[in-house]
Amino acid sequence: GENVEQHPSTLSVQEGDSAVIKCTYSDSASNYFPWYKQELGKRPQLIIDIRSNVGEKKDQRIAVTLNKTAKHFSLHITETQPEDSAVYFCAAIWGAQKLVFGQGTRLTINP
Amino acid sequence: DTGVSQNPRHKITKRGQNVTFRCDPISEHNRLYWYRQTLGQGPEFLTYFQNEAQLEKSRLLSDRFSAERPKGSFSTLEIQRTEQGDSAMYLCASSLTDEAFFGQGTRLTVV
Repeated sequence: GENVEQHPSTLSVQEGDSAVIKCTYSDSASNYFPWYKQELGKRPQLIIDIRSNVGEKKDQRIAVTLNKTAKHFSLHITETQPEDSAVYFCAAIWGAQKLVFGQGTRLTINP
Repeated sequence: DTGVSQNPRHKITKRGQNVTFRCDPISEHNRLYWYRQTLGQGPEFLTYFQNEAQLEKSRLLSDRFSAERPKGSFSTLEIQRTEQGDSAMYLCASSLTDEAFFGQGTRLTVV
């Protein structure tokens, strides 16, 4: 069935260092891969996404890479700041329309 | 406010009672999703609509759960004979293409 695996479940980095979160997906037909950030008590917010026709996308300090052959994609946050602390979710489109989420990564930025 | 709106924000109900939640998507968004999220987990897919048609319902969803989107605009999610295990955050999202935008959710507590 549809499945998106996300690692690690928790990640702690020093302020200014980089953070990397990885996801794998099972449906080779998936062609859209968004990342969401969820702060405590708030709704998930889309922060970046990538489609299957590109291998990398960057938006200021965040970037996403996609390896369709291996069916995995990653979120990279550089020069981390305290406000980056949150839970991050990857997702993939399943069956052309259904969005399936990973289990989440709790990122903590230590000052 | 042009975002996804959900009501109520919080609901406390006694076990065995029925509850209904409402979601108003972003205007002109034809896709509408319902997700359930428990603490520390990613959003779990429940069902989704393309306009007024319910295209898929999770196998995990019991017959106590039903959703409607009668005119292809707002949607309702009803849970009959609530159980303590139904306690969770119920999230609604809408999209026009692939980018899905979430509402703030309805937090259900079954006592």
